[in-house]
Amino acid sequence: SSELTQDPAVSVALGQTVRITCQGDSLRSYYASWYQQKPGQAPVLVIYGKNNRPSGIPDRFSGSSSGNTASLTITGAQAEDEADYYCNSRDSSGNPPWVFGGGTKLTVL
Amino acid sequence: EVQLVESGGGLVQPGGSLRLSCAASGFTFSSYEMNWVRQAPGKGLEWVSYISSSGSTIYYADSVKGRFTISRDNAKNSLYLQMNSLRAEDTAVYYCAGGRSSSWYEDWFDPWGQGTLVTVSS
Repeated sequence: SSELTQDPAVSVALGQTVRITCQGDSLRSYYASWYQQKPGQAPVLVIYGKNNRPSGIPDRFSGSSSGNTASLTITGAQAEDEADYYCNSRDSSGNPPWVFGGGTKLTVL
Repeated sequence: EVQLVESGGGLVQPGGSLRLSCAASGFTFSSYEMNWVRQAPGKGLEWVSYISSSGSTIYYADSVKGRFTISRDNAKNSLYLQMNSLRAEDTAVYYCAGGRSSSWYEDWFDPWGQGTLVTVSS
């Protein structure tokens, strides 16, 4: 099976821009989706497809992709953005059909 | 309001069984593909199982294949996960999540339930 690799932890100063990356061979073929998870809560979809935000997700969240890397960018990070972020995509091998990255803990300083 | 509510979690001994349920409301459940995703304590997300909207197509992660069975009842707007031969490593919060796609290369999980905790321990 393929893997999706994320940095375990990233920090950003309040109001600054941060990029969270996700690397994997499957991303050459499939778009990633991104999920925000705060402590004790369920994951929430924040970005899907080329760069789509579900209703209710602030426009400071955006997504991009190049080669084997997908990125989630938060422009003007807020204190409430402190959370774990997971990427996900189809797996090129199909076994399993879907794979999650290991997650990135975002700290807003 | 779109909502998924899981139930059925609890403490079970190794080798035991448990059946999780997920009740859907606020959307057309019968048109959604559905998944179970789990998260071990302090760990990341792991996809567990998928079922198509009609129930005709099913996938499992290798870690649960042969032990877990996913099913759905569209008339009751409900998703299920029958878990047998449980192991300590199955201890996790289990989330049900809708599966959506706009093309073969673009899909995502939404909405998510709040999760139900399964603890496998003697």
